[in-house]
Amino acid sequence: EIVLTQSPATLSLSPGEGATLSCRASQSVSSDLAWYQQKPGQAPRLLIYDTSNRATGIPARFSGSGSGTDFTLTISSLEPEDFAIYYCQQRNNWPWTFGQGTKVEIK
Amino acid sequence: VQLVQFGAVVKEPGESLTISCKASGYTFTNYWIAWVRQMPGRGLEWMGIIYPGDSDTRYSPSFQGQVTISADKSINTAYLQWTRLRASDTAMYYCATLYSAGAFDYWGQGTLVTVSS
Repeated sequence: EIVLTQSPATLSLSPGEGATLSCRASQSVSSDLAWYQQKPGQAPRLLIYDTSNRATGIPARFSGSGSGTDFTLTISSLEPEDFAIYYCQQRNNWPWTFGQGTKVEIK
Repeated sequence: VQLVQFGAVVKEPGESLTISCKASGYTFTNYWIAWVRQMPGRGLEWMGIIYPGDSDTRYSPSFQGQVTISADKSINTAYLQWTRLRASDTAMYYCATLYSAGAFDYWGQGTLVTVSS
């Protein structure tokens, strides 16, 4: 099973600042990595698929990069609605797996 | 595209349970649909996935033998079933489908399962 390790666990930032979230895989997942955002009481929402493709309706301030085992989600300038938990997920190998999440909180 | 799940259910340990996920707005048989668990205050766990067209089903080893995933093509509905619930099954369960992106781009609103005596 591929283990996805996200860092940091928590990121404390102010609105307007940039955020860089990391996801490291225990073995290569090629480019088969996605990022999701989840707010309290809501289902997750797809942000990025196949490493760097923004899902429909996702603002351009969200971008993804990486390949193989190291991936990054970048939020260029945090808006108030961006404070949430972010998860990475791989679909390269069964079983598909999620990372443990990074919480982006207001500083 | 819409996935509809019932809001909440309360069961006692040892009871059986089947929860559902009704799909609409797309061709149900052509797209994988998965189940994801979220225990209280915890992260997302991928449980398994089914391709309704041929019922090809894959499970996470953590859930293999603990649950059964199935689908009824005639009513565009996927199911998650337990034969004997435990308190540790208390969680929110989401269904999600891979539709237009190579990832779960549509999600149900979740079913909260509470197992308590």
